[in-house]
Amino acid sequence: GAGVSQTPSNKVTEKGKYVELRCDPISGHTALYWYRQSLGQGPEFLIYFQGTGAADDSGLPNDRFFAVRPEGSVSTLKIQRTERGDSAVYLCASSPTGGVGGYTFGSGTRLTVV
Amino acid sequence: EDQVTQSPEALRLQEGESSSLNCSYTVSGLRGLFWYRQDPGKGPEFLFTLYSAGEEKEKERLKATLTKKESFLHITAPKPEDSATYLCAVQHQGGSSNTGKLIFGQGTTLQVKP
Repeated sequence: GAGVSQTPSNKVTEKGKYVELRCDPISGHTALYWYRQSLGQGPEFLIYFQGTGAADDSGLPNDRFFAVRPEGSVSTLKIQRTERGDSAVYLCASSPTGGVGGYTFGSGTRLTVV
Repeated sequence: EDQVTQSPEALRLQEGESSSLNCSYTVSGLRGLFWYRQDPGKGPEFLFTLYSAGEEKEKERLKATLTKKESFLHITAPKPEDSATYLCAVQHQGGSSNTGKLIFGQGTTLQVKP
């Protein structure tokens, strides 16, 4: 596609529920990143995929967070047993190859846990 | 620990009033410093990459410069459409140098009044 697409754009969920956030990267981009941005802060790295594999998941805050990219294109970020502190904008980005930071971001999914 | 600090947090300018935004960084070997622009409700938009002290990049009214400890984003004769949050990020050498993982500052919110 023309850009990085993220769905849904907004998600409201109850505390304790499970959510999935989807990212559709630019066609042909092998590198995919997930970041989380809280209000008034810069994005915070969560996980990096090169192809189908998670090459760096050092930013995932705990084992409630998990991400997959089974066919090397679309990725899904999964959050179990959501907590109010998980409320944030979740950003996805992609680039043609990994290793270089000037990548293209999507508009994000705003997650609100009530 | 890698750290990025941006100042000021917010800046109000009159149209045509030039100014500079600061990004101070501490990183264990700099691989690249990145500037992004973020509009409300959107993901960050890539502006520049700087790799070594003394390097400069320009785009329209924006000019980014880099020293060993900080980067400046100079805005010359700004227009209202330059209003946005400007984010600085660093990528360090070492374990994550092949992943493209970025450490972001908290951003500077710029408002340009006509």
